[in-house]
Amino acid sequence: QKEVEQNSGPLSVPEGAIASLNCTYSDRGSQSFFWYRQYSGKSPELIMFIYSNGDKEDGRFTAQLNKASQYVSLLIRDSQPSDSATYLCAVNMNQGGKLIFGQGTELSVKP
Amino acid sequence: DTAVSQTPKYLVTQMGNDKSIKCEQNLGHDTMYWYKQDSKKFLKIMFSYNNKELIINETVPNRFSPKSPDKAHLNLHINSLELGDSAVYFCASSQDGRTDQPQHFGDGTRLSIL
Repeated sequence: QKEVEQNSGPLSVPEGAIASLNCTYSDRGSQSFFWYRQYSGKSPELIMFIYSNGDKEDGRFTAQLNKASQYVSLLIRDSQPSDSATYLCAVNMNQGGKLIFGQGTELSVKP
Repeated sequence: DTAVSQTPKYLVTQMGNDKSIKCEQNLGHDTMYWYKQDSKKFLKIMFSYNNKELIINETVPNRFSPKSPDKAHLNLHINSLELGDSAVYFCASSQDGRTDQPQHFGDGTRLSIL
């Protein structure tokens, strides 16, 4: 089992829809969870981080964490073509700042 | 104002050569990292330094040697380059090495081995 798993996609949604990106992780002791966006040929850019169970909202983005199910998700409301990118889930497994990344989910928002 | 900067952006070289990549951050962070992103876009940590001290050293060939002259700089030297070293190498930094600190990435160095 991979330490952090994501569906590789591509996930295709129409403009204005809600995009739902999912991530599961293997280490129950994981502390912190991060979502990064990476455009093709660019560097990962931090979008959201979440530490506690529940929802955390920032503009059109909502991160959801369920530690009992070892599951973290990212919702993007009112998706725009500019949201088309690869979304990387990263988990800090309490190993001195060591981030474990999933393989990323490619999102395509169609006009 | 570039927060985490890497040089060079592109590096094309032949197998067997030795090369270095430099990284500097102006965020005042204590911790810096090197990641490798392969052709399948999988991002994996290689090393991290906290205030010039090595704290994470993943299973990386000893041809790779990081050096941190001060907490704002972390360089990566690679000896005897191999075809499999072709990848994008990202430098990152965080406030400190605590688990709740987000990491901020540089623009990456695309290394191509001929």
